[in-house]
Amino acid sequence: DVVMTQTPVSLSVSLGGQVSISCRSSQSLVHNNGNTYLSWYLQKPGQSPQLLIYKVSNRFSGISDRFSGSGSGTDFTLKISRVEPDDLGVYYCGQGTQYPPTFGAGTKLELK
Amino acid sequence: QVQLQQSGAELVKPGTSVKLSCKASGYTFTSNHMNWIKQTTGQGLEWIGIINPGSGGTSYNVKFKGKATLTVDKSSSTAFMQLSSLTPEDSAVYYCAMGGRRFDYWGQGVMVTVSS
Repeated sequence: DVVMTQTPVSLSVSLGGQVSISCRSSQSLVHNNGNTYLSWYLQKPGQSPQLLIYKVSNRFSGISDRFSGSGSGTDFTLKISRVEPDDLGVYYCGQGTQYPPTFGAGTKLELK
Repeated sequence: QVQLQQSGAELVKPGTSVKLSCKASGYTFTSNHMNWIKQTTGQGLEWIGIINPGSGGTSYNVKFKGKATLTVDKSSSTAFMQLSSLTPEDSAVYYCAMGGRRFDYWGQGVMVTVSS
């Protein structure tokens, strides 16, 4: 299975600040069809995860442009700018290139 | 809007089975795959398997083969997951999630507790 490694485990941020979360995969996530199926999810306290970013850098419907994804191959980054209270929770990266789909262990975003 | 409504929490005894449901609305049920995902504090998020509601075709994570069985009822736009031979290690929150190589929409989750 593809192992997804996220860093850091937790992150403290001030409201209005900017943060980056890193995700590294144990194998390249470039599919034979040329697509890279790397997604980012946010799980707010007491809620189920929600999709933020898919195929590395595409924002899902209704997701603010304060969220941006980048990267290629095995190294990926999620950036959150102008952090708001509703952004707090646990962020997961996930890959769908190789079955079974796998997830990182999560990065907890907290207020400083 | 897309909604995935899951059944309520379950408290079950070891060695028994449980069948979880996920009722979909707001989209064409047979046009989108449905996944099931397990979440525990220790193991995080684990993908269990996927079902094509249109054809009934399934694919499972090797880890959950023999443990989980995915089915659908097209007439009610509902997906089901049966978990068998339950042990305390099956205690978790289980989510249904719509999508193919990504998970666009998630149910609210159902907590399953296996305890005697």
